[in-house]
Formats: sequence, structure tokens, C-alpha cells
Amino acid sequence: KQEVTQIPAALSVPEGENLVLNCSFTDSAIYNLQWFRQDPGKGLTSLLLIQSSQREQTSGRLNASLDKSSGRSTLYIAASQPGDSATYLCAVPDTGRRALTFGSGTRLQVQP
Amino acid sequence: DTGVSQNPRHKITKRGQNVTFRCDPISEHNRLYWYRQTLGQGPEFLTYFQNEAQLEKSRLLSDRFSAERPKGSFSTLEIQRTEQGDSAMYLCASSLEVEGNQPQHFGDGTRLSIL
Repeated sequence: KQEVTQIPAALSVPEGENLVLNCSFTDSAIYNLQWFRQDPGKGLTSLLLIQSSQREQTSGRLNASLDKSSGRSTLYIAASQPGDSATYLCAVPDTGRRALTFGSGTRLQVQP
Repeated sequence: DTGVSQNPRHKITKRGQNVTFRCDPISEHNRLYWYRQTLGQGPEFLTYFQNEAQLEKSRLLSDRFSAERPKGSFSTLEIQRTEQGDSAMYLCASSLEVEGNQPQHFGDGTRLSIL
């Protein structure tokens, strides 16, 4: 059964810092990994999807990398802004299924 | 593309009552998923449909829960005889699965509070 862990659980940084969020998964036989953002009381916004054949994906100030063999992904946020404050979740399809297994998220606070 | 729409946004009800939530996926998305999320945790899978067929149900989906997707468009999730432990955010997602590897797009959820 797939398990996803996100470290750290919470992070507070001053505006302008570059930061890295970590995601690890136990079963490396995945075909993609998705990063989401969730604002308080809201649903999930898809940020990036990395296919299993890819090493990284970029969107604006966000860069996500994937190392399947080691079961790890990182989300890099450049030049953080207060508007980046949210919970960031990573998810992978459960082994042999389409349903996503999520980590518990990293709660990010960017101080102005 | 109007996104995934869920109604109602909030539902407060007494224990033992029945509740029904609705999800309208992104048009032409053939897959629809239901998840449940409790405070401080990531969403947990409940069930999913491909078109009108319910292909998988999680063990979290007790016999008090039922989901439908008539005609492969919108979906409803009903909870009968609600319990305190049913309080959570219920999230719906949809995707266009042609050859797999497509992102799931989520709605804003329905927050259920059981008194």
C-alpha cells in the first residue's frame, strides 16, 4: 500500500527566500506525481504534474523534481511571496489504481 | 472551462439525518472522484467513476454511503444516518483519462458538520 510523507509539516519564512518542500513515497512504481496547493477552507489547486518519465517540471517560480528510484520529489519555490502562504500537498496514484494517495501537507507561511 | 463545481459549500445537520452532496465535473471529463478530508490531513479516496460506471470503492465507504453518476455527468454522494465521525470536507475531482497520466482537478468541497 502506497504511503506518502511530507516534510516539514510546517514552515515559516521571510518574504523573498527560496524554499524546498519535500515529499517521499514508499512504492516507486508510480506513473506520475502531482503537487497541489490548498488555501484554508478551499479545495485543491493543481500546481504541477510530473510524469514518471520526467525528472522535473517548471511553472513560473515553481519547480518540481522527481526521483522515482529513491521515492522522492521536491517542490522548489523561488523568491517566496506572502501570497504563497498555503498548504502544499503532494499525491501519487495508489499502486495499480487511479485513486490518489496524499501526504498530510506542508503548511507554509511567508512573512511580509 | 468553469472548473469542478460542488454544492452545497457547507452543510450542518443533526446526527442521524441523511445528507446529499452534488458534484458537477469539468465538461467532457470522463472520470470523477470523491475524497474526504479531515482537519490537518490530506484527502482520502472514497470512490471513483468512469463515465456512469462506479469502478472502485474504498473500504472507508461504509454501507451508509452511496454515490451515483447517472448519465456520466454530475455525481451525487449520499450519507445516510449521519454520525459525528462523518464531519469532514468532501472533495470531488475530475479528469480526462484517455491514455492515463492526466491531472485531477478539484472542486472547493462541501464541508459537513454533524451536530
